Amino acid sequence: KAGVTQTPRYLIKTRGQQVTLSCSPISGHRSVSWYQQTPGQGLQFLFEYFSETQRNKGNFPGRFSGRQFSNSRSEMNVSTLELGDSALYLCASSLEASGGEQFFGPGTRLTVL
Amino acid sequence: QQQVKQSPQSLIVQKGGISIINCAYENTAFDYFPWYQQFPGKGPALLIAIRPDVSEKKEGRFTISFNKSAKQFSLHIMDSQPGDSATYFCAANNAGNMLTFGGGTRLMVKP
Repeated sequence: KAGVTQTPRYLIKTRGQQVTLSCSPISGHRSVSWYQQTPGQGLQFLFEYFSETQRNKGNFPGRFSGRQFSNSRSEMNVSTLELGDSALYLCASSLEASGGEQFFGPGTRLTVL
Repeated sequence: QQQVKQSPQSLIVQKGGISIINCAYENTAFDYFPWYQQFPGKGPALLIAIRPDVSEKKEGRFTISFNKSAKQFSLHIMDSQPGDSATYFCAANNAGNMLTFGGGTRLMVKP
């Protein structure tokens, strides 16, 4: 079974721009969660989607948004990029929305200049 | 309180030794406790996980010990190998798939 895939793997943007990241979960998995990883703040939860509905949201500003499609693929969007948004953005997929195993993709490395 | 505290931040162990990483939590609503291993440039990989109704779980060289009353859990890596050199994260989950992570432990196993 293929793992979680994330595209693109690397991205360079400038302040003020917006960006869209994509995540394809493991086949059959219906829950997708997004996390931000930085050296200073570590791994932080952004949001979780299940059956196209956002179920949980972390403590991030409204510039961070996401959505999930009917095939369980998910996208996250960051608008008006700031230097502090530079991070590794990780997507994790899970079979159900019941607090079980989450499997991470390789991440998208976003650099904001 | 959502915090998960992990220690030590870094650990050096000789090949064949036991690596021990500890985590503590406050929120008693947490009901699932996974450990992840992350190599540079890669996403975290699920190693082993435990639920609070079990005090210990072993998978190969990896063991989780869980103390519900103390709100602590730990990862033991037996017979540590240089290939185990990586960053390890403990985490705790409640309310769906919303992991709260510890700060990470950078493990180096010396040959």
